[in-house]
Amino acid sequence: GIQVEQSPPDLILQEGANSTLRCNFSDSVNNLQWFHQNPWGQLINLFYIPSGTKQNGRLSATTVATERYSLLYISSSQTTDSGVYFCAVERGNNDMRFGAGTRLTVKP
Amino acid sequence: GAGVSQSPSNKVTEKGKDVELRCDPISGHTALYWYRQSLGQGLEFLIYFQGNSAPDKSGLPSDRFSAERTGGSVSTLTIQRTQQEDSAVYLCASSLAQWTGELFFGEGSRLTVL
Repeated sequence: GIQVEQSPPDLILQEGANSTLRCNFSDSVNNLQWFHQNPWGQLINLFYIPSGTKQNGRLSATTVATERYSLLYISSSQTTDSGVYFCAVERGNNDMRFGAGTRLTVKP
Repeated sequence: GAGVSQSPSNKVTEKGKDVELRCDPISGHTALYWYRQSLGQGLEFLIYFQGNSAPDKSGLPSDRFSAERTGGSVSTLTIQRTQQEDSAVYLCASSLAQWTGELFFGEGSRLTVL
């Protein structure tokens, strides 16, 4: 099956700093999504981005499908950004596979 | 409904008992997914449904696990003869489209097997 690798596994930032999270995948995909899992366990959609670039406030994402990677940018980080960020990909068979996640801690 | 609804939110059971977890997807969503997340870990794919059929059951950890979906809507995940290693949060998600679509998650069912 398709492999999804996320880096870094852990990231600690000071409030106000910027960061880049990466997701590499082993095969072509039809669907790629970024999720944020908050400290209470709820998974929230951030971006549906099989290709191209999207922005939503302080967050933006870019997927380069031909090179099989996606990046999630967080600017001016806030403590509420803390949690785990997951990348998930799907090849067209409705089988969404998740990476292991990046655990982000933003310190005040 | 407005979002994916899961019940129970918390379940504590004794080893060897059967449990049933329920997922009510967003109205009109044809695809439904079950995942399992152990403490501090990533999401482990269990099974997905397109309509009432489950094309891929390979993610189910053992034959103690089964799932069904009726009427293209509600799904139940059943775990028979529960073991302590079954303790985890069981997450359900749904999406609108067959080939592409955003995935929306419920809040999960936390299962603790004593």
